Amino acid sequence: QVHLVESGGGVVQPGRSLRLSCAASGFTFSSYAMQWVRQAPGKGLEWVAVISFDGNKEYYADSVKGRFTISRDNSKNTLYLQMNSLRIEDTAVYYCAREDPTPFDYWGQGTLVTVSS
Amino acid sequence: QAGLTQPPSVSKGLRQTATLTCTGNINNVGYQGAAWLQQHQGHPPKLLSYRNNNRPSEISGRFSASRSGNTASLTITGLQPEDEADYYCSAWDSSLRGWVFGGGTKLTVL
Repeated sequence: QVHLVESGGGVVQPGRSLRLSCAASGFTFSSYAMQWVRQAPGKGLEWVAVISFDGNKEYYADSVKGRFTISRDNSKNTLYLQMNSLRIEDTAVYYCAREDPTPFDYWGQGTLVTVSS
Repeated sequence: QAGLTQPPSVSKGLRQTATLTCTGNINNVGYQGAAWLQQHQGHPPKLLSYRNNNRPSEISGRFSASRSGNTASLTITGLQPEDEADYYCSAWDSSLRGWVFGGGTKLTVL
């Protein structure tokens, strides 16, 4: 049974950093691309970043490019999102989701990041 | 990141048919089609369909997707109370090299 569990969310001041983790189980993690999607309170879904199965390719939304870094440790079955220079508008629930070949087929429950002074 | 266009809300009666639309361009919806996701309040999204009408095995046949040019559609037949949710479309954009989402459609079952 596929399981994705995000962690690392919390309250952080603008300009500070936070690292999110997504622990995967129930499938061969190293065979799948993975991604992060966020949802601001009361708003729609916004794609954040995707990383290839081997970590060699990464793509980012313009809104986070240069501030966020997606990475993975296949030996630990874990996906990460390093978020630097956080802004108030980064406040959202952050979901990890499995990617290719079937996009968005499994999602975690999400972790809430609140950027506030 | 330019998004896809979805109507904000659709209302239909119980057991009726609802068709939700999602308009993009040749670089996204017109490229590989769209994925459709359903989200109930307080829950993560759930995949209904991808690349037009590929449906995960656990998804009811009442949900079907299609595409015409740069517009994708999700048709839900025999509407049930549990179908009341937010529906999002998404597509890979070959120009932006990223996924784009629609703003979501809130489906109300009367």
